[in-house]
Amino acid sequence: NAGVMQNPRHLVRRRGQEARLRCSPMKGHSHVYWYRQLPEEGLKFMVYLQKENIIDESGMPKERFSAEFPKEGPSILRIQQVVRGDSAAYFCASSPVQGGTEAFFGQGTRLTVV
Amino acid sequence: AQSVTQLGSHVSVSEGALVLLRCNYSSSVPPYLFWYVQYPNQGLQLLLKYTSAATLVKGINGFEAEFKKSETSFHLTKPSAHMSDAAEYFCAVSDGFMDSNYQLIWGAGTKLIIKP
Repeated sequence: NAGVMQNPRHLVRRRGQEARLRCSPMKGHSHVYWYRQLPEEGLKFMVYLQKENIIDESGMPKERFSAEFPKEGPSILRIQQVVRGDSAAYFCASSPVQGGTEAFFGQGTRLTVV
Repeated sequence: AQSVTQLGSHVSVSEGALVLLRCNYSSSVPPYLFWYVQYPNQGLQLLLKYTSAATLVKGINGFEAEFKKSETSFHLTKPSAHMSDAAEYFCAVSDGFMDSNYQLIWGAGTKLIIKP
């Protein structure tokens, strides 16, 4: 059973471009969580999704950031018009049920905005 | 508001020596506490968790942590370090509502370096 797969592992974007980060949850997991880790800081919760639904987006910046988890395919975190401050590691986790300690994490995508 | 402080962004120990990674938290309610590990090129993995049962918690790979309420600490220890323990370790706290522990508050992480 493959773990949580995130791609790309590293992404470089110029200011103003769009960044798309993908997360394929573990097989059988229908809950996905996105976190952001800024340099020298801990992970910060961004958004919690189930298939086709956003459950909690209280940690998402109000502008330029969006997330989806379609019925088919991976979850996508989309950042429009990236700025240097978006440079961070973005982690995805998945679980078969809500919360608990059953969440499994991906390797993360390191976004660098130049 | 809850917060987590991990003392030392980098900790270096010799192989075979004691490993001690420090974590202090603040919480207005009895907390749930977690340690996660990230090995190079891998995702985060749960090492151990404290959920208000025994204060000394044993985890995987020989690690354990002790919850000390009076000191608001949850330090991670291992008696004898192995080279394979080299990784980044994260401490996290939640407010005890397990169903919403995706809202964990995380420390900034400590990179453990093992010297041969």
